[in-house]
Amino acid sequence: DADVTQTPRNRITKTGKRIMLECSQTKGHDRMYWYRQDPGLGLRLIYYSFDVKDINKGEISDGYSVSRQAQAKFSLSLESAIPNQTALYFCATSDSRRGKAFFGQGTRLTVV
Amino acid sequence: DQQVKQNSPSLSVQEGRISILNCDYTNSMFDYFLWYKKYPAEGPTFLISISSIKDKNEDGRFTVFLNKSAKHLSLHIVPSQPGDSAVYFCAAPDPMDSSYKLIFGSGTRLLVRP
Repeated sequence: DADVTQTPRNRITKTGKRIMLECSQTKGHDRMYWYRQDPGLGLRLIYYSFDVKDINKGEISDGYSVSRQAQAKFSLSLESAIPNQTALYFCATSDSRRGKAFFGQGTRLTVV
Repeated sequence: DQQVKQNSPSLSVQEGRISILNCDYTNSMFDYFLWYKKYPAEGPTFLISISSIKDKNEDGRFTVFLNKSAKHLSLHIVPSQPGDSAVYFCAAPDPMDSSYKLIFGSGTRLLVRP
């Protein structure tokens, strides 16, 4: 089984709909992250969490919210999806100041 | 302002030759650098890293070189293999807090031709 699991893997949704992307991990790490990948822009940080009680905005948090339900679970929500949120979304975990992080397989989200 | 930059969106090399992927950074406080490899439909996976106190780190066919004075690092793959075809991201952990969050470059797509 994968260390970091994301569901769903693919999703097509309509503009204005609410959608939740889920992430669970078996690494036992406290720190969890949501990144977004767009062509030519690399991965950009949406939200991150130090632990269940500590959630922080990343560089592109507008239009997104998160919930850390447990140490192992970190979900990302789009309250009202818009087409420019069409992207690849990755969840990651880390416990290393050297930066080594473990990524899920990604969710391809299309907003039409 | 992009703190980590990969100025070459793509690179094509012949199998068996050397692949050199480049990365520049602007923040002199970065103390680690990492390379991640990403295949289509998969998440990025860690490849190799280097501490800012070193100028070279080698792992099999992969070597990362760091030139702190130029704020430049490079990943060398020798010999290149078709299975190395992927997108490579340069990254550094944000030195400003204890979140360990990574700052990524835009990536370089490597194609190794058989």
